[in-house]
Amino acid sequence: RKEVEQDPGPFNVPEGATVAFNCTYSNSASQSFFWYRQDCRKEPKLLMSVYSSGNEDGRFTAQLNRASQYISLLIRDSKLSDSATYLCVVNSYTGGFKTIFGAGTRLFVKA
Amino acid sequence: DAGVIQSPRHEVTEMGQEVTLRCKPISGHDYLFWYRQTMMRGLELLIYFNNNVPIDDSGMPEDRFSAKMPNASFSTLKIQPSEPRDSAVYFCASSLPSGETQYFGPGTRLLVL
Repeated sequence: RKEVEQDPGPFNVPEGATVAFNCTYSNSASQSFFWYRQDCRKEPKLLMSVYSSGNEDGRFTAQLNRASQYISLLIRDSKLSDSATYLCVVNSYTGGFKTIFGAGTRLFVKA
Repeated sequence: DAGVIQSPRHEVTEMGQEVTLRCKPISGHDYLFWYRQTMMRGLELLIYFNNNVPIDDSGMPEDRFSAKMPNASFSTLKIQPSEPRDSAVYFCASSLPSGETQYFGPGTRLLVL
């Protein structure tokens, strides 16, 4: 089993739809979590951090469920420009800093 | 700030040749990471440095790969000899002292023929 797992998709949704991605992790000692966005042939860029209390940034909401060991990303009112690959990142500090990227979930938003 | 700078942006070489990838992190960032991305394996962490010191190189695939960070503003990833299976996009990233949010460079697209 991979330490960080994501549904690869692709998710094909119409403009205006709401879409949600999950990312599960196996290390219960993981301490910090992020969502990155990667456009085709570009580098990953930070989308948002994921806090225990959940956090929202415009149309994007990130949540953490420590009990079930997953993080989620919700995108409301999808735009064509949201089409990209979304990568989750899980960091742990036990026995030294460790950072793991998920394989990514591809999203296509169509008109 | 110019962000993380990588060079070259593209590299095409023949099997057996030495390849050197270069990275300049964001000024003031204490952590530097080297990643490799392929369709099959996704984004893999190869090695990371903290204050110019290699901390974890467990992701380096084999002895053909080596990385150095002679100072806070420069790092290299070297492959010698290169093989076709090394073809990938190699990203460098840096982060603030907390080692949290990582800022990626544009990557080097390597093709080994």
